[in-house]
Amino acid sequence: DQQVKQNSPSLSVQEGRISILNCDYTNSMFDYFLWYKKYPAEGPTFLISISSIKDKNEDGRFTVFLNKSAKHLSLHIVPSQPGDSAVYFCAASGVNTDKLIFGTGTRLQVFP
Amino acid sequence: ETGVTQTPRHLVMGMTNKKSLKCEQHLGHNAMYWYKQSAKKPLELMFVYSLEERVENNSVPSRFSPECPNSSHLFLHLHTLQPEDSALYLCASSQEAHLNEQFFGPGTRLTVL
Repeated sequence: DQQVKQNSPSLSVQEGRISILNCDYTNSMFDYFLWYKKYPAEGPTFLISISSIKDKNEDGRFTVFLNKSAKHLSLHIVPSQPGDSAVYFCAASGVNTDKLIFGTGTRLQVFP
Repeated sequence: ETGVTQTPRHLVMGMTNKKSLKCEQHLGHNAMYWYKQSAKKPLELMFVYSLEERVENNSVPSRFSPECPNSSHLFLHLHTLQPEDSALYLCASSQEAHLNEQFFGPGTRLTVL
């Protein structure tokens, strides 16, 4: 049973518009959430994270929103750029553990 | 070298071969991980080493054998693999004080014939 779900395998967005990537989780013990970005032939790279004590974290063009009651988080990229085209993984972790549970990823394509 | 490096980047092996994957981190971290990424599946955590001790083994078959000789190096020894073991194997490291932010290597693309 997948504890972290990314139900959209792919997303296509025009350059300059907003990209919204969604992630749902089932384990209420998760208290830390991360987004990773992966280009082909490279390992995932950390993008942004959020602790369960917050509902929003912003870093430049990237904002992560957390809705604990809905067990849902989302990553907003605005404005989207062609270089943002990659696979985005959502990951979650519980208290006092280094174990990350990953989603299946969403492939974002930003076209001109 | 910086970050997390993995060798080889690509590996093709037969089911009777024995090979090893190597990971090295240059970040001063004290935890290291092996993940498996198969097509259309989430990254699957295989092993976790913290301070050179194995703290997690996610029901991985014994044909995969990890080794962590020191905090900078991690190996994954492979023997008598199956074709379904073909996948991208990713190594990661983290500093426990920095909550869960793991740094990944580029991965080894393994094909088992």
